[in-house]
Amino acid sequence: AQKVTQAQTEISVVEKEDVTLDCVYETRDTTYYLFWYKQPPSGELVFLIRRNSFDEQNEISGRYSWNFQKSTSSFNFTITASQVVDSAVYFCALSGDQAGTALIFGKGTTLSVSS
Amino acid sequence: DAGITQSPRHKVTETGTPVTLRCHQTENHRYMYWYRQDPGHGLRLIHYSYGVKDTDKGEVSDGYSVSRSKTEDFLLTLESATSSQTSVYFCAISESGDYGETQYFGPGTRLLVL
Repeated sequence: AQKVTQAQTEISVVEKEDVTLDCVYETRDTTYYLFWYKQPPSGELVFLIRRNSFDEQNEISGRYSWNFQKSTSSFNFTITASQVVDSAVYFCALSGDQAGTALIFGKGTTLSVSS
Repeated sequence: DAGITQSPRHKVTETGTPVTLRCHQTENHRYMYWYRQDPGHGLRLIHYSYGVKDTDKGEVSDGYSVSRSKTEDFLLTLESATSSQTSVYFCAISESGDYGETQYFGPGTRLLVL
């Protein structure tokens, strides 16, 4: 069975703090894909990143960075110098093992950044 | 912008009435999906389509049916709405449905069943 766990339900930080959102996944597939999506208060789902299982290189995009570790089945997301606009629900997701099937989502982490 | 629209964006209906939600895409993507989002559950797949008239069930398909008569439109129908179907419904697309391909989501439809 495939599963994604986001143990942090809610996180509150003050602007300019760094924050890490945890994501732990379970899968028996040797090849799989991991994703992060952002859902701001307006409600839409915004794609942030896709990572495949054979590429463990960490990625940085501006203030965002992602740490993929197969050894611990984790795909953590760090926001550096957080801003109020980062306030949102963040979802980690795992791709199923067949074409066209569901993304398996975690329950999401609500990040609140105050000024 | 993946060119996905959903209608209606908000709907209030009564238990037992039929409801149809529409997802429309402008970029000729082959795969389309319907998810529902509920507090504490993340998003869960209801149905998906891999072409015109080709559909399959997802994790939470009971009480829902879908149809796709044109590439650009994917309809989700609640034959007889129940309060447990109060949710936010998201449509998504992917270009080919290949394993691991990114799915892009529409703006969502908020449905309240009284």
